[in-house]
Amino acid sequence: DTEVTQTPKHLVMGMTNKKSLKCEQHMGHRAMYWYKQKAKKPPELMFVYSYEKLSINESVPSRFSPECPNSSLLNLHLHALQPEDSALYLCASSQERKLFFGSGTQLSVL
Amino acid sequence: QQPVQSPQAVILREGEDAVINCSSSKALYSVHWYRQKHGEAPVFLMILLKGGEQKGHDKISASFNEKKQQSSLYLTASQLSYSGTYFCAMTTDSWGKLQFGAGTQVVVTP
Repeated sequence: DTEVTQTPKHLVMGMTNKKSLKCEQHMGHRAMYWYKQKAKKPPELMFVYSYEKLSINESVPSRFSPECPNSSLLNLHLHALQPEDSALYLCASSQERKLFFGSGTQLSVL
Repeated sequence: QQPVQSPQAVILREGEDAVINCSSSKALYSVHWYRQKHGEAPVFLMILLKGGEQKGHDKISASFNEKKQQSSLYLTASQLSYSGTYFCAMTTDSWGKLQFGAGTQVVVTP
């Protein structure tokens, strides 16, 4: 299995909602990432987990809360988001410095 | 600091060649190249480590000039499947985070 699987593919939420994005990989990679990508822009790093521990938090607002339940799963919990948080959220895992991206969750905050 | 990538966009006919450049103001450890097709996840193309190597992937190759802190991606005899946005990404040390360039949109027409 050489895929990073993300669910849901699309999500629309209100500013008072709580939702979660899920990411799964079975390649045995021990580093997993959350990126945010706005249209026509490069991916921006949000969080890095290394061996299931949070190793990098790029000063992301607390309304985004990552979680790594085990080495194959990565969640991103969303609460009280703002319209400007609408974007494509990409999960990735890495091996030998190569990033393997999931197809992303297109999030719209109304 | 974000690498400087140029050109912003390029339109090619099938069979034509193109070069995408990426430069940094800092000393580099590695350069990565990714391609993202519309509506899809970025896909890893290649990584070049300091040492000035050149690599190839089908008819797509890249060079890394460590002294000039620059990398170039060469699209040779372009195919329709080469269309997409190409991102360079750079690190300044062996475990540094990737800094993505702004991207180059490549359109290959029949």
